[in-house]
Amino acid sequence: KAGVTQTPRYLIKTRGQQVTLSCSPISGHRSVSWYQQTPGQGLQFLFEYFSETQRNKGNFPGRFSGRQFSNSRSEMNVSTLELGDSALYLCASSLAQLGGSGNTIYFGEGSWLTVV
Amino acid sequence: GESVGLHLPTLSVQEGDNSIINCAYSNSASDYFIWYKQESGKGPQFIIDIRSNMDKRQGQRVTVLLNKTVKHLSLQIAATQPGDSAVYFCAEDRSYGGSQGNLIFGKGTKLSVKP
Repeated sequence: KAGVTQTPRYLIKTRGQQVTLSCSPISGHRSVSWYQQTPGQGLQFLFEYFSETQRNKGNFPGRFSGRQFSNSRSEMNVSTLELGDSALYLCASSLAQLGGSGNTIYFGEGSWLTVV
Repeated sequence: GESVGLHLPTLSVQEGDNSIINCAYSNSASDYFIWYKQESGKGPQFIIDIRSNMDKRQGQRVTVLLNKTVKHLSLQIAATQPGDSAVYFCAEDRSYGGSQGNLIFGKGTKLSVKP
């Protein structure tokens, strides 16, 4: 069974541009969450989607957005990129349909974004 | 504020020795914890989890201990191997209500295994 797949793996963007990252969850998983990882702030929760609906959102500005499609695939978008947005963006998926804690969460390899 | 923190940022052990990585949490209502391993250039890999109704759980060469009294958990790796070299994160699941996937991560402990 394939794991969580993220594309692209590496990308370089210029300040002010926007970027879209893609994630395919593990087959059968309908919950997709996104994280940002930086050396200074560590791993931080961005948002979570289930059945095309955002159910929870972390403490990030509105420039960070996401969506989920009917096949559970998800995209996240960052607009008006800033140098501080350079990070590893991780997508994770889980199987359970019910909310709440206790559902095993599996991560992809991430998308490395560099903003210059 | 509430957080999940690690006691040591780095840990160096001899191959074959046992490793112990510690983690403290501050939210006494937390009921699910996970340990992840992250190798250089890769995403976090699930190792083992534990729920608050347990105080110990064992996997293959790994054991997680949970002490709710002092809000502390630890990851023990038996017979540490060079392939265990990585950064280890504890995570606290803060998902609630109808949402999932809201993990609060510690800053990580880098484990180095000396041959």
